[in-house]
Amino acid sequence: DAKTTQPPSMDCAEGRAANLPCNHSTISGNEYVYWYRQIHSQGPQYIIHGLKNNETNEMASLIITEDRKSSTLILPHATLRDTAVYYCIVRERSNYKLTFGKGTLLTVNP
Amino acid sequence: SAVISQKPSRDICQRGTSLTIQCQVDSQVTMMFWYRQQPGQSLTLIATANQGSEATYESGFVIDKFPISRPNLTFSTLTVSNMSPEDSSIYLCSVEASLGQETQYFGPGTRLLVL
Repeated sequence: DAKTTQPPSMDCAEGRAANLPCNHSTISGNEYVYWYRQIHSQGPQYIIHGLKNNETNEMASLIITEDRKSSTLILPHATLRDTAVYYCIVRERSNYKLTFGKGTLLTVNP
Repeated sequence: SAVISQKPSRDICQRGTSLTIQCQVDSQVTMMFWYRQQPGQSLTLIATANQGSEATYESGFVIDKFPISRPNLTFSTLTVSNMSPEDSSIYLCSVEASLGQETQYFGPGTRLLVL
């Protein structure tokens, strides 16, 4: 079973920041938080991951709370092409297995 | 990141037949995996494709139904055998350059419809 909890859906206006929350209250010290997204049944696309520090790349920012029990993925300027299902996954670095939950359907509206 | 291709991209098959799906990576990778995504559902890991040895299957998946080959570090196949309509799904391969490399990348998927 997935170790994360995400809202089933969210809306965001185009050009605004999209903030996607994820709860992972049972995360262990050696587990990373990963984010993927899946656009209309294409293969999942890797976005970002982190252990305990905040991370930023060209796609998004990942904010992890100090107790590591929750995190937020931030898309700073959402576009219509960001409409997708976003998956938050916790994973040990040495464990290849990705356990996907139901994710959050983000709909970016014009 | 690795560039992954899958063939076919989609197919429509008759029940009782088998389909082999190919996954090709543009660079050598240590780990290759096969996932299934049933309609409206999330992804489920089928098995890990091991080079030079038998694949490692997850609970609920068996070799007779989903035989897997991995002849080298850039290629793998998944066969869906004796298909039924319940096998209609998207089948995806994923790769990781080495265990612990931290990032797994996915192919575009193969959409299978069984009539």
